[in-house]
Amino acid sequence: DAGITQSPRHKVTETGTPVTLRCHQTENHRYMYWYRQDPGHGLRLIHYSYGVKDTDKGEVSDGYSVSRSKTEDFLLTLESATSSQTSVYFCAIGLYANTGELFFGEGSRLTVL
Amino acid sequence: AQSVTQLDSHVSVSEGTPVLLRCNYSSSYSPSLFWYVQHPNKGLQLLLKYTSAATLVKGINGFEAEFKKSETSFHLTKPSAHMSDAAEYFCVVSDSPGGSQGNLIFGKGTKLSVKP
Repeated sequence: DAGITQSPRHKVTETGTPVTLRCHQTENHRYMYWYRQDPGHGLRLIHYSYGVKDTDKGEVSDGYSVSRSKTEDFLLTLESATSSQTSVYFCAIGLYANTGELFFGEGSRLTVL
Repeated sequence: AQSVTQLDSHVSVSEGTPVLLRCNYSSSYSPSLFWYVQHPNKGLQLLLKYTSAATLVKGINGFEAEFKKSETSFHLTKPSAHMSDAAEYFCVVSDSPGGSQGNLIFGKGTKLSVKP
């Protein structure tokens, strides 16, 4: 089974502070994704990666940046957190190339006061 | 552009009765379609997928879905609900060839409640 660890699982921060969420996978899957989940919106794609140092923007990328320096780690950074970024963030990996089959982590709940 | 509409935000059934969760989609091409399930405080889990093979797709835990092109629908069903089925369900569409993950569109979710 694909293993994904997200950290931290819960975080409370203040407006204007930087925040980094980490996604770590135990296998060498090429595709990794960051989504945010908000009530009434389903999941929306923030950024995704298709390899080391290869990333692209998703539907709601404004205010977020990502980095992938190693296959196993995909970092999501909020340079200056805002209250509108209060959400649950999910990391996912693509188990197979170009099939739409994703395996999700358990989420990171971020509250920006 | 593709889109997906889940017609019910909440569905409540009694244990042992059938489940029907409705999903309509819009796609420019022949779509790939998926249902994901999310239990409370957990990540999403793939329930089943349609990728232009058989129109009736069987998934895990007794769920199945039927792709109906003429109705642009992909409804999720289960003959007999179990208490453990209580969760939120997401219909997902991709119209990129092979279902490229960068183009997945998630519905807003249907919360399924199961009464004893």
